[in-house]
Amino acid sequence: DIQMTQSPASLSASLGETVTIECLASEDIYSNLAWYQQKSGKSPQLLIYDASSLQDGVPSRFSGSESGTQYSLEINSLQSEDAATYFCQQHHDYPWTFGGGTKLELK
Amino acid sequence: EVQLVESGGGLVQPGRSLKLSCAASGFTFSNYYMAWVRQAPKKGLEWVATISTSGSRTYYPDSVKGRFTISRDNAKSSLYLQMNSLKSEDTATYYCARGNWMDAWGQGASVTVSS
Repeated sequence: DIQMTQSPASLSASLGETVTIECLASEDIYSNLAWYQQKSGKSPQLLIYDASSLQDGVPSRFSGSESGTQYSLEINSLQSEDAATYFCQQHHDYPWTFGGGTKLELK
Repeated sequence: EVQLVESGGGLVQPGRSLKLSCAASGFTFSNYYMAWVRQAPKKGLEWVATISTSGSRTYYPDSVKGRFTISRDNAKSSLYLQMNSLKSEDTATYYCARGNWMDAWGQGASVTVSS
């Protein structure tokens, strides 16, 4: 199985700051990676697919990138509504696997 | 508007069965792979099953293989998850989701396995 190691597990940042969340795949997943946002008590929502493609309706302050098997989600100009837990997920090979999640708190 | 609405959750005893349904609307259901994903209380996301557009191919992780069965009825735009031999560790909120990169999710159905 492909392991997705996500870091950090939690972070705290201020409004207007930029944060980066990372996921390390245990093997090459050929950009088959998605990022999701889950607000408290809500269903997950897709932010990024194919590692760097922005889902329709998602603000442009969210962006995804990759370097080898390391994938990153960057959130620029943090807004209060960005407080949530973020998950990465590989869909290159079954079983699909998720990262452990990053809880983002706004100061 | 794309909508996915799960139903069928509830409290069930260990070893018993339960069937979840997901009613889809707002898109051509038969054109999409569909999946189930679960989330145990205060935990992360775990993929549970995926089914191809025609239903001819299904995929499961080892944790549910042989106990859970995903199916679909394209005429009814509906997705199902038959869960047998339920265990306490199956307690979770179960979401149905559309596609390989899951671009639409239902609100979730809560399943509690307890005696």
